[in-house]
Amino acid sequence: ETGVTQSPTHLIKTRGQQVTLRCSSQSGHNTVSWYQQALGQGPQFIFQYYREEENGRGNFPPRFSGLQFPNYSSELNVNALELDDSALYLCASSLWPSGRTDTQYFGPGTRLTVL
Amino acid sequence: QQQVKQSPQSLIVQKGGISIINCAYENTAFDYFPWYQQFPGKGPALLIAIRPDVSEKKEGRFTISFNKSAKQFSLHIMDSQPGDSATYFCAASAQGAQKLVFGQGTRLTINP
Repeated sequence: ETGVTQSPTHLIKTRGQQVTLRCSSQSGHNTVSWYQQALGQGPQFIFQYYREEENGRGNFPPRFSGLQFPNYSSELNVNALELDDSALYLCASSLWPSGRTDTQYFGPGTRLTVL
Repeated sequence: QQQVKQSPQSLIVQKGGISIINCAYENTAFDYFPWYQQFPGKGPALLIAIRPDVSEKKEGRFTISFNKSAKQFSLHIMDSQPGDSATYFCAASAQGAQKLVFGQGTRLTINP
């Protein structure tokens, strides 16, 4: 059983650029969620994908978008990067619905720095 | 109403002592309360989780105490070890384990 993997590990962009982050979900999982974790803060929910469709969104602007592919891997795209987008971006996968065994497993994250 | 408030921000405990971290929430629709442990440069890892139909759950040295009427829950780490030094996050969700709302985190340091 493989865990959640993310790429790249680190990324440096300049303000106004666009970025794509990638996530491979844990084997057997069908749902992917993305979180933004600013330095010294708890993760904040960006959105979730289930069956290749967005299934809930947090308080993030439309320039944050995503995709889920048939193999359940996912991408997070951020357009028109701003300095405040600098953060650790976490991907989490789960099998949903799964009742009381429902658990999200997090990847190691992608550290994005916007200059 | 979506907030989860966590305290303290940082905590120093001697080896062998008990570490206690507290969280409070407002949204009565929350039905899943996990605790995550995060080491520097790593993603959060699930430690233990509880649902509101029980008041306490224990797994090894880790215990969650849950007070539904007070809308509070806490993590107790017994016999704290230097390897427990990490940042701990409480979280809550109204949809099982999905769409988690996290607390601000507690940086725990266990002195040898």
